[in-house]
Amino acid sequence: GDSVTQMEGPVTLSEEAFLTINCTYTATGYPSLFWYVQYPGEGLQLLLKATKADDKGSNKGFEATYRKETTSFHLEKGSVQVSDSAVYFCALIKTGADGLTFGKGTHLIIQP
Amino acid sequence: NAGVTQTPKFRILKIGQSMTLQCTQDMNHNYMYWYRQDPGMGLKLIYYSVGAGITDKGEVPNGYNVSRSTTEDFPLRLELAAPSQTSVYFCASSSDRVNSPLHFGNGTRLTVT
Repeated sequence: GDSVTQMEGPVTLSEEAFLTINCTYTATGYPSLFWYVQYPGEGLQLLLKATKADDKGSNKGFEATYRKETTSFHLEKGSVQVSDSAVYFCALIKTGADGLTFGKGTHLIIQP
Repeated sequence: NAGVTQTPKFRILKIGQSMTLQCTQDMNHNYMYWYRQDPGMGLKLIYYSVGAGITDKGEVPNGYNVSRSTTEDFPLRLELAAPSQTSVYFCASSSDRVNSPLHFGNGTRLTVT
């Protein structure tokens, strides 16, 4: 079946550092790819998405590019802030699927 | 601007007890979902619904039941609670299955002892 693999956390960075959170997927066909973010005590919220190969999703300084050749959707940000501390989930869905398939999540901690 | 509202926020159950987790949304979304989130395990789909009167099983439906009598409400029922059901439960909704984002509630933290 479909699956999403994310880098293990926690990831701890200093403020203004460059961020990469790796995400790779296994799926037949052409899934849509998503990054969701979960702040403490809250539900998940959509951060960005890409629906076809070579699409770049972006929001709030975060970016991710849909790479079909490497089945990857890595999340990047050039300069992180303390307020970016959260859990980040990579996810996919295909047409006809019941719902999103999520990765296990990566806990990001940004230190001032 | 409520979005998806879940109640209660926290609950402790004894083994064998039953309870209903409530979920309501005010965005007129047809698609609604129940997920459980276990530490280090991501989110697993329990049940989903594509519209009032229609429900279907997700990846981990055992021990749960749902109903969808209205577009707004999608309660999750736990019968005979077990320690394995200790988890954080999230309800979500969307306007379509693939391209629209999921809107999540803030979750219900359930402990079964």
